[in-house]
This record gives sequence, structure tokens and C-alpha cells, in this order.
Amino acid sequence: DVKVTQSSRYLVKRTGEKVFLECVQDMDHENMFWYRQDPGLGLRLIYFSYDVKMKEKGDIPEGYSVSREKKERFSLILESASTNQTSMYLCASSFPGQGSSYNSPLHFGNGTRLTVT
Amino acid sequence: GNSVTQMEGPVTLSEEAFLTINCTYTATGYPSLFWYVQYPGEGLQLLLKATKADDKGSNKGFEATYRKETTSFHLEKGSVQVSDSAVYFCALSTPIQGAQKLVFGQGTRLTINP
Repeated sequence: DVKVTQSSRYLVKRTGEKVFLECVQDMDHENMFWYRQDPGLGLRLIYFSYDVKMKEKGDIPEGYSVSREKKERFSLILESASTNQTSMYLCASSFPGQGSSYNSPLHFGNGTRLTVT
Repeated sequence: GNSVTQMEGPVTLSEEAFLTINCTYTATGYPSLFWYVQYPGEGLQLLLKATKADDKGSNKGFEATYRKETTSFHLEKGSVQVSDSAVYFCALSTPIQGAQKLVFGQGTRLTINP
């Protein structure tokens, strides 16, 4: 079974702190993703990576950065945490799509609930 | 841009009732369509998928048919159980930069009462 592990289940940080959210997958997946989940808004893509050291912005990258130094690990960084970044953060991974058929399922971690006070 | 719209929740049903959760989408090209489920305290899990028009995805008694003419992918189950209580997300997949991007609906919370 694919396992995507997020290092923290709950985090409480202060405004202005630098925050690191870590994610590790054990299935040698090329693609990794960070989403945030907010009530009524569903999941929104922050950043994704399709290879080591590669990163691409998603729909809401402002205030975030990412790092992928190893294939199995994808880190989300909040450079200076703000209260509007209080949310549930979900990491996911997948194999790349095959040819023109982009239907590889995403495998999600259990999420990190971040509260910024 | 690509988007997914789900029926608003929460939805509350009695055990053994029939379930429909509506999902419509807007997309260019021919996206793959998915339903994911999130049980309390867990991440999302793939429930079912369909990759082309008229495909039917099915799993655990749930079904959804990819309807290109109505741009819909409604989730149905004939007889729900208490264990089906969860949040359900409809999503579409489109290719970007050698990967795939999943665009999610807002989620529908389902509660099944015994």
C-alpha cells in the first residue's frame, strides 16, 4: 500500500514564524503536491513537483514556497506565517500520467491542521 | 478555467436510503473525472474514476457515469450505510507540465443515521 506521511498532525504557530510542513512518500512517485483544504472551498493546489528539484506554482502559491531535494520528500514552507494561513494542509503523490491519459490517482496523507495565532 | 461544482451539503439520510450527490464540471479538452472520499480524521481516498465519455466508475456500491453531453459525473448508491458517512469530493484531472492537476469541488458532507 502507498503511504504518504505528513510529519505533524497538528501545529500551532505564531504570526511571523517560519513554518515547515514535511511530507514523505514510500512509493517512488515522481509527482508530489501540496493542497490546502478550507470549508466551502474544497481543496486548492498550492505547489506541485514533477521531479527532484523541480517545482511549479499551483493556484494559490502566494506566501508559500516548497523544496524537493529528494524524490520521496516534499516540504512546504510558510516564510512568515499569517492568520489567513490557518488551514488543513494535505500532501499527495502520484505516478505521472501514461501518455495522454492523465488518470493516475493521487494518494493523500492524513493532513496537518495548522493554526496561526 | 477548469472548475467543478458539487451540490451543497450537508446531506443527511437514513440507513438504506438512495443517495445522489450531483457534480458538474467545466473543462477544456477531455478530462478524467474522479470521486474521492474523506473519512473523519483521514486524508482523501480515491473512490472511483472514469476516463472517457460514457465510462462508468464503480466501487463499494457507489457508481458514477461520465456524461459529456451534460458535463456531469453524479455519484449514486442504492442503499447507504452508517459507515458511508464522510465528505465526498468530485474532481477533474487535466495535464500540466508533465504532471496532472486535480481540480476539486467544494465537497459534500454526508451523514447517515441508523
